Amino acid sequence: GAGVSQTPSNKVTEKGKYVELRCDPISGHTALYWYRQSLGQGPEFLIYFQGTGAADDSGLPNDRFFAVRPEGSVSTLKIQRTERGDSAVYLCASHPGPGANVLTFGAGSRLTVL
Amino acid sequence: AQSVTQLDSQVPVFEEAPVELRCNYSSSVSVYLFWYVQYPNQGLQLLLKYLSGSTLVKGINGFEAEFNKSQTSFHLRKPSVHISDTAEYFCAVSRPIQGAQKLVFGQGTRLTINP
Repeated sequence: GAGVSQTPSNKVTEKGKYVELRCDPISGHTALYWYRQSLGQGPEFLIYFQGTGAADDSGLPNDRFFAVRPEGSVSTLKIQRTERGDSAVYLCASHPGPGANVLTFGAGSRLTVL
Repeated sequence: AQSVTQLDSQVPVFEEAPVELRCNYSSSVSVYLFWYVQYPNQGLQLLLKYLSGSTLVKGINGFEAEFNKSQTSFHLRKPSVHISDTAEYFCAVSRPIQGAQKLVFGQGTRLTINP
């Protein structure tokens, strides 16, 4: 596609529920990133994929968070047993691969946990 | 590890006035530096970047930034702002290891332009 697409744009859920957030990167971009932006803060790195594999997942806050990219294109961020502190905007970004130095961001998925 | 400090959380400016948004970084190795802008309910958009070479970098929408290695700063400037520049601005650094661009962001500066 022309840009990075994220769905849903808004998600409201109850504490303890399971949530999936989807990212569709720019066509041909092999690298994909997830960031989390809490209210009043800058984005924080969660996980980075090069192709199908997670090259760096050091930013995932705990084992309730998991992400996949089974075919090296679309990625899904999965959050189990959501907590109120998970409320944030989850941003996805992509770039063409090794040697690229600029990320293109999607508009984000705003998650609210009640 | 790298870190970024944006010294002002909010900056109010009158239309057509000049503005400077301050950014300082900390890193023991060479880094790339970026400024991103975030308009309400939109994603981050790249304003400009410093990778190497000339320390004065020009970006979109009339913005520019100057890399100062001795002061570890990368302040963003615009000589005359418009109402449409109202947005959140983020400074970020990355260390280009094996092509990865794992950005570390500052907390952001909210620029408000008053008529």
